[in-house]
Parts: sequence; structure tokens; C-alpha cells
Amino acid sequence: DAMVIQNPRYQVTQFGKPVTLSCSQTLNHNVMYWYQQKSSQAPKLLFHYYDKDFNNEADTPDNFQSRRPNTSFCFLDIRSPGLGDAAMYLCATSGGREEKLFFGSGTQLSVL
Amino acid sequence: QKEVEQDPGPLSVPEGAIVSLNCTYSNSAFQYFMWYRQYSRKGPELLMYTYSSGNKEDGRFTAQVDKSSKYISLFIRDSQPSDSATYLCAVPNPSGGSYIPTFGRGTSLIVHP
Repeated sequence: DAMVIQNPRYQVTQFGKPVTLSCSQTLNHNVMYWYQQKSSQAPKLLFHYYDKDFNNEADTPDNFQSRRPNTSFCFLDIRSPGLGDAAMYLCATSGGREEKLFFGSGTQLSVL
Repeated sequence: QKEVEQDPGPLSVPEGAIVSLNCTYSNSAFQYFMWYRQYSRKGPELLMYTYSSGNKEDGRFTAQVDKSSKYISLFIRDSQPSDSATYLCAVPNPSGGSYIPTFGRGTSLIVHP
């Protein structure tokens, strides 16, 4: 089945140690998104790509960066994770702007 | 003021009950509205997508939009334990030349047998 796959499901890192989360999709969608969701809070958009066109939200910390080497893959890099970065990170795709989002199962990040 | 607000609950109902989940939004320019369902430790999945005021029905689910009061609702008939999840409403927010869903914090629903 076509889907959005996030790896790993659970990631533990140390304070300040860089970490990369990955997302792949078999839907061939143009748009890919990264959301951060803390417990009992709304998913918060970090950035999105329309093809290779990168769009960063104004309040996304500089500590967070993203790469999209091709249509299928997108990565979230956290350069120096802090305790406040512990959250669920959700990757999503859509076929175009203003279309419905398909989410992966998320990566739960813990920072020790 | 947040773009979209929801009561976090939890809302606990017996199996078979009619459930009403509600959301208010701030920008009267929004043209369409979405409800997503999120099971524990999973990503959200789209339930309902509606462009206009009035009702939209899909099986046991009905989405209702009242643009005059900036109020959206999701009704679940004959609720089942499998409906236990967090329900997120979302509105389109301009970002990078597009409209990206902005989510409420969600309402946690528990349907007990």
C-alpha cells in the first residue's frame, strides 16, 4: 500500500547530540511537511517543501533544519537537541497545495 | 488569539451515544475546514473535509460549519469504542504561497463499552 513511513518510531538522543529523523513516501506527492507535536498540544508546522521549494515557518528555531534530496525522502535534522525538543515529529505529504494531508506514524523523540 | 481552539476534554461517553465535538476559529476568511482523527501514538488521518456552511455527512460522521459564528462541529452517531481517539480540527493558514492546515490541540474522546 502507498504510504508515508517514518523511521525510527522511537529515538533517544542526548542533550546537544545531533539527530536526524527520516521520512519516505510512496505516494509520489509533491508536498512534504514536518510537524512537531508535544503532548496534548496541536501539531505545529516546522517547514514544508513544494517539490524542492523550501518554506520555513517564521518561528521554527534555527536548531531545526530539513533536507529533501528527492521526491520520496525528507529528513529533519536537529543540530543540538534541547530538553524542550522532546516531542512527536510528524511527517506528512499532499498531492498539491490545499490538498488533504497523509501522515506517517511519527517519531517520538526523547532527549536525555 | 489562536487560529483555532478546541476543548481538550477528555470527553467520556457510553457506547452508542451521539458525540458532539466543537471548534472555534478566528479568521472569517477561511474557506474550508477539516477534521482529523488521531489514535494514540499514531499520525492524524483525515476524517472530513468541507468547503461550505451547513452539514456534510459521511456514514456515522457529520461535519457542520456555521460561518456566521465561526464555529465548526463534528457529530458521531452510534459511537463505538473504536472511535476513542483525539479529534483535531484544522483550518487553512497561508504559508509560503500556499494554505497549510493549522490544527487545534484536539479533543480526546473516550467511548466505553
